[in-house]
Amino acid sequence: AQTVTQSQPEMSVQEAETVTLSCTYDTSESNYYLFWYKQPPSRQMILVIRQEAYKQQNATENRFSVNFQKAAKSFSLKISDSQLGDTAMYFCAFMYSGGSNYKLTFGKGTLLTVNP
Amino acid sequence: NAGVTQTPKFQVLKTGQSMTLQCAQDMNHEYMSWYRQDPGMGLRLIHYSVGAGITDQGEVPNGYNVSRSTTEDFPLRLLSAAPSQTSVYFCASKLDRMNTEAFFGQGTRLTVV
Repeated sequence: AQTVTQSQPEMSVQEAETVTLSCTYDTSESNYYLFWYKQPPSRQMILVIRQEAYKQQNATENRFSVNFQKAAKSFSLKISDSQLGDTAMYFCAFMYSGGSNYKLTFGKGTLLTVNP
Repeated sequence: NAGVTQTPKFQVLKTGQSMTLQCAQDMNHEYMSWYRQDPGMGLRLIHYSVGAGITDQGEVPNGYNVSRSTTEDFPLRLLSAAPSQTSVYFCASKLDRMNTEAFFGQGTRLTVV
């Protein structure tokens, strides 16, 4: 079974600075997807970014980018120009691309606080 | 666009009571799932469905039942609530096997006393 590990329970960053959240995973599959979800205090789960494992190019979405290292099974999220609204819990998640893709496997989360 | 709607948003139950958490989606999604979120644990899959009439267990199914009689609805039933079921519950849906984006409801915070 796959596992997702987020080793940083909490992080903080000053507004306008850059922060990187770490995620590692373990799987024996070669085709899968990785995600970062944001959960603000409103509790809503918001998809931040998605990476297909077969793509070597790192995904980017505006201020959010990932560093995907398939061999190392590492998937970190970089937030540039941090804003107060980025304060949230961030979850790394994994999904198979095959027949078992009904399921997201989540890490335990990293609570990010952006300070003014 | 309502998306995924969960009701209620908050609920307090006494140990031994039963209740149903409702989940409805209006996007004609085939796949629907229930997760629970506990502090320091992330989200864990309880039950899922890949279409009307088809359900199966996830990682933590004990104490919960589901059914899927329509494409739109996927209720989660707690048969006899226990304090260990105190959690935040999320319903999620996605279009089908080929699509990866999951849409989440706003969650139900359940407290069992």
